[in-house]
Amino acid sequence: NAGVTQTPKFQVLKTGQSMTLQCAQDMNHEYMSWYRQDPGMGLRLIHYSVGAGITDQGEVPNGYNVSRSTTEDFPLRLLSAAPSQTSVYFCASSPADGQGKNEQFFGPGTRLTVL
Amino acid sequence: GIQVEQSPPDLILQEGANSTLRCNFSDSVNNLQWFHQNPWGQLINLFYIPSGTKQNGRLSATTVATERYSLLYISSSQTTDSGVYFCAGTQGGSEKLVFGKGTKLTVNP
Repeated sequence: NAGVTQTPKFQVLKTGQSMTLQCAQDMNHEYMSWYRQDPGMGLRLIHYSVGAGITDQGEVPNGYNVSRSTTEDFPLRLLSAAPSQTSVYFCASSPADGQGKNEQFFGPGTRLTVL
Repeated sequence: GIQVEQSPPDLILQEGANSTLRCNFSDSVNNLQWFHQNPWGQLINLFYIPSGTKQNGRLSATTVATERYSLLYISSSQTTDSGVYFCAGTQGGSEKLVFGKGTKLTVNP
């Protein structure tokens, strides 16, 4: 198993540009999520999904969109990039049992810089 | 939602020393994980430990769920142990993982 994969590894955008960060997992996990990591802030939840067709907002959702058309993929879209979105983005997945008792696994991250 | 506090925020050790990292939760958790973020930015799963004690080589972890804290022990530290250690937990029936701000560990040769 490849586990959780993310592309690209690095990206530089100009303010106002749009892009999609890709996340895929091959473990048949129902739950997937996106986090951003900023210096001194730990990881903060952006959006999450408990299964195909179901998404919801996390702690810091503004400026980001998600969709979940398949179990395997959970892309994160930046519609109009801003410098405040410069960060490292992590995708995670786990089985979902409705009790929050499953180990979560993280991808390698995408380092995004918005100029 | 739950609050997660980690201590100390920074720790500097000489190679071979032992250390204890602490994670406190504001409320009971269903899932408790420890991660190591290496200097290349990768998040490595160390322990899934909602309660009890686990050991993996030089690392061990203990979670006392009733008292809302978890401890990560690192023995005979090596320079490769350097990085940031995060704990994170979920609450209630939610899968949402809430992270602490981490402990930055530096092990000097």
